[in-house]
Amino acid sequence: TQLLEQSPQFLSIQEGENLTVYCNSSSVFSSLQWYRQEPGEGPVLLVTVVTGGEVKKLKRLTFQFGDARKDSSLHITAAQPGDTGLYLCAVTQGGSEKLVFGKGTKLTVNP
Amino acid sequence: GAGVSQSPSNKVTEKGKDVELRCDPISGHTALYWYRQSLGQGLEFLIYFQGNSAPDKSGLPSDRFSAERTGGSVSTLTIQRTQQEDSAVYLCASSPFRWRGRSGANVLTFGAGSRLTVL
Repeated sequence: TQLLEQSPQFLSIQEGENLTVYCNSSSVFSSLQWYRQEPGEGPVLLVTVVTGGEVKKLKRLTFQFGDARKDSSLHITAAQPGDTGLYLCAVTQGGSEKLVFGKGTKLTVNP
Repeated sequence: GAGVSQSPSNKVTEKGKDVELRCDPISGHTALYWYRQSLGQGLEFLIYFQGNSAPDKSGLPSDRFSAERTGGSVSTLTIQRTQQEDSAVYLCASSPFRWRGRSGANVLTFGAGSRLTVL
């Protein structure tokens, strides 16, 4: 079983629409990260959320960490074609140094 | 360097041949990670280095896979007797020593990856 479940797996929308993608788990985490990966590139860190219920905003992107620190959501307002990419959530397990990733949500924003 | 550099960017090989993939981390970063990304999948952890030692190699899929790091810098991932299921993008990332940011989470910088195709 996957530690992190991301949904939806694929999302295709028109420019200007709003969207939300989710990252869920049955485990509790001290922090959670969101990355965006564009074709042919490695993932790039967008944000780290730490506190249960925390909300962080990055321009048109809003990230929320669940109160119980088991899940997170990413909301994009007025999506643009430049938002196209694979959105990955990731966590560090216990005292391990390794970062564990979900399978991602592949977002396509059509002009 | 300015970023994490990986080579080759693309590699096509025949089944059964050995391949070496190289990662040049950001200067001064002592932690180095290898991940594998198959088509449509997320990132699968392979191995982690702190300096030249590998405290966690739990993700290596089989004994055909090995990795080393020399001088606390460049790392090489070697796949022996390649199989078609080894086809994937191999990503390398580096991180400053035990700098987890204010959040306590690892902060990784990734390279662009090496795309391996085994025919």
